[in-house]
Amino acid sequence: GENVEQHPSTLSVQEGDSAVIKCTYSDSASNYFPWYKQELGKRPQLIIDIRSNVGEKKDQRIAVTLNKTAKHFSLHITETQPEDSAVYFCAASHRGSTLGRLYFGRGTQLTVWP
Amino acid sequence: GAVVSQHPSRVICKSGTSVKIECRSLDFQATTMFWYRQFPKQSLMLMATSNEGSKATYEQGVEKDKFLINHASLTLSTLTVTSAHPEDSSFYICSAPSRGGVDPDTQYFGPGTRLTVL
Repeated sequence: GENVEQHPSTLSVQEGDSAVIKCTYSDSASNYFPWYKQELGKRPQLIIDIRSNVGEKKDQRIAVTLNKTAKHFSLHITETQPEDSAVYFCAASHRGSTLGRLYFGRGTQLTVWP
Repeated sequence: GAVVSQHPSRVICKSGTSVKIECRSLDFQATTMFWYRQFPKQSLMLMATSNEGSKATYEQGVEKDKFLINHASLTLSTLTVTSAHPEDSSFYICSAPSRGGVDPDTQYFGPGTRLTVL
C-alpha cells in the first residue's frame, strides 16, 4: 500500500517567517494530495489540496508544490502568524484504491512564536 | 462545504461496557465512511472502511468483533466499541468523501469523539 513520510515532526518559527513541511509518497498511482490542519482536540481541517495534473497551487499565504517524478510534495506557509500554530498532516490517495481512502503522514507540530 | 457530525463528542464509560458512536453526513450521501483512531500526539490511524449495505473492511490488527461497524443508511455509520478497556481510550474520528460536485476527492471529517474508559 501507500506509505507517506512527513518531515519535520516539529517546527518552530518566528512570527512573519516562512514554514515549509515536506512529504514523500511511495505509490506512483496516487493523484490527490490534501493538507490538513488540526488544532488540539478538534477535527482535521482541509487547508489546501493538489492533484497530480498540477505542479503548484496557492491560496493566499499557503502554497503546495508537487513533484510527481520525485514523489514528493510540500506545504509552504508565508508570513506565519501565531494562529497558524497547530499540527499539520499531509495525505495521499488515488482512485484505484478504496475511493477516498487517505494515507496520512505522521504530522508536523508547527509553533509560531510572536 | 459538506458537513459531517458525530455524536457524542465526549463519553466516559466503565471498563467492560460498550459505547456507540454515530457519524452522520448532514447534507450529502455517503456510501463510504472511514473510522480513525488518534492517540495523543499521533497521526490518524485508519481502523476501518464502512460501506453502506455491506460489511465493513477492517485494517490489519483491528479486531472486527471489538469494533462493530454498521452503515445502515447513506447518511449514518455507527462504531460500537464493545467491552471497552482503558487502552481503548482515544479520539475517534469519522470521515466521508463527498461524491459528485466540484471536488469528489475531498474528504470531510466529523468533529471527533473523545472516549475515556475508566
